Amino acid sequence: DSGVTQTPKHLITATGQRVTLRCSPRSGDLSVYWYQQSLDQGLQFLIQYYNGEERAKGNILERFSAQQFPDLHSELNLSSLELGDSALYFCASSVAGGPGTGELFFGEGSRLTVL
Amino acid sequence: ILNVEQSPQSLHVQEGDSTNFTCSFPSSNFYALHWYRWETAKSPEALFVMTLNGDEKKKGRISATLNTKEGYSYLYIKGSQPEDSATYLCAIYRFPNTGNQFYFGTGTSLTVIP
Repeated sequence: DSGVTQTPKHLITATGQRVTLRCSPRSGDLSVYWYQQSLDQGLQFLIQYYNGEERAKGNILERFSAQQFPDLHSELNLSSLELGDSALYFCASSVAGGPGTGELFFGEGSRLTVL
Repeated sequence: ILNVEQSPQSLHVQEGDSTNFTCSFPSSNFYALHWYRWETAKSPEALFVMTLNGDEKKKGRISATLNTKEGYSYLYIKGSQPEDSATYLCAIYRFPNTGNQFYFGTGTSLTVIP
């Protein structure tokens, strides 16, 4: 158990809909990262928050948004869903905001299926 | 986008064999390399974090080396066991700060045959 909690574990929805994925980081970790893993793709970085503020942005679509709340949990909002958004979405946390020497702790992922 | 390459893409070995695989990355602005182990239906778990050229890390039967000048890292597994079956991911963190992004490779899938 990494200590990172993601909900829901599985989600099936239709095209055009909106969903929210939730992540609770390990106790004490200030950074939350979101990654997307599509079929046959590696882990694609979406966005990072550190202590409530956006720290870095990767290949995140404009239809997607995220935020980190004062209690440090984070939500990833996916809207106007398309079939291609079907993927496994991982949240990871770390103590620091950088520079990358602290390991990431991953949640178990949220599997999104868009029909 | 940083090109982090892992080879081979997949590997099947017999129980007891030793094996190794490679993570290659651009050597410029290197700051840190991470190795993660990802078992099916679980989440990735960190094996090693390496920062210095020539670094060697070991955890049980698994070890890793790092060459930052030529841009590669090797992961070695000695005496593979079926429980070593997993995908092994490497990730690179670059300096100066490129937005705190870890660039992941696509992984090497290891299957250890009993």
